[in-house]
Amino acid sequence: GAVVSQHPSWVICKSGTSVKIECRSLDFQATTMFWYRQFPKQSLMLMATSNEGSKATYEQGVEKDKFLINHASLTLSTLTVTSAHPEDSSFYICSALTPGLAGDEQYFGPGTRLTVT
Amino acid sequence: AQSVTQLGSHVSVSEGALVLLRCNYSSSVPPYLFWYVQYPNQGLQLLLKYTSAATLVKGINGFEAEFKKSETSFHLTKPSAHMSDAAEYFCAVSEGAGNKLTFGGGTRVLVKP
Repeated sequence: GAVVSQHPSWVICKSGTSVKIECRSLDFQATTMFWYRQFPKQSLMLMATSNEGSKATYEQGVEKDKFLINHASLTLSTLTVTSAHPEDSSFYICSALTPGLAGDEQYFGPGTRLTVT
Repeated sequence: AQSVTQLGSHVSVSEGALVLLRCNYSSSVPPYLFWYVQYPNQGLQLLLKYTSAATLVKGINGFEAEFKKSETSFHLTKPSAHMSDAAEYFCAVSEGAGNKLTFGGGTRVLVKP
């Protein structure tokens, strides 16, 4: 149980375009989802925390107008990278949890590799 | 504020040898501590977690970790390395159940035959 999926698994887009990444909890309802970014050979950095039905909370230094997060349902959160640039190329990973479920553990998706050309 | 330091970005061990990955944390409240493993181009898999119960925590794949409050450490060990243990390992801390995770820099493990 507790499976999180991401779509797409990889995407290539041109500079200046927008790309949407989906994060879904497949077999549980996630009241909270987190979005992380991981540059090559580096650790995961939290970008934002998303609670269903409310605005996302962004970490310091993350542009909320560039990285749009929508958590419209208990099983789906989306991250839209607007006006993407090559420096946005990264591995984006989401995680999901529901307090009280399995020790409040975060379940991670498989990640989405974004390459901006 | 919370932070995690993993000593050693790369560790090389022989197959069958002890694996020891070091993690030190800082937290303003009693921490929840985690070890995750990441294989190339994949998400994170939880190895084990400490949530204020037993200080010696056993996880999957033969890994275990010991919480030492006096040393603010949560080192990960495995008695005998296997080739399949070659991966990136991340230590993480959160300030309570359901809270955001702060990750260490990661340690890449290489297992030599």
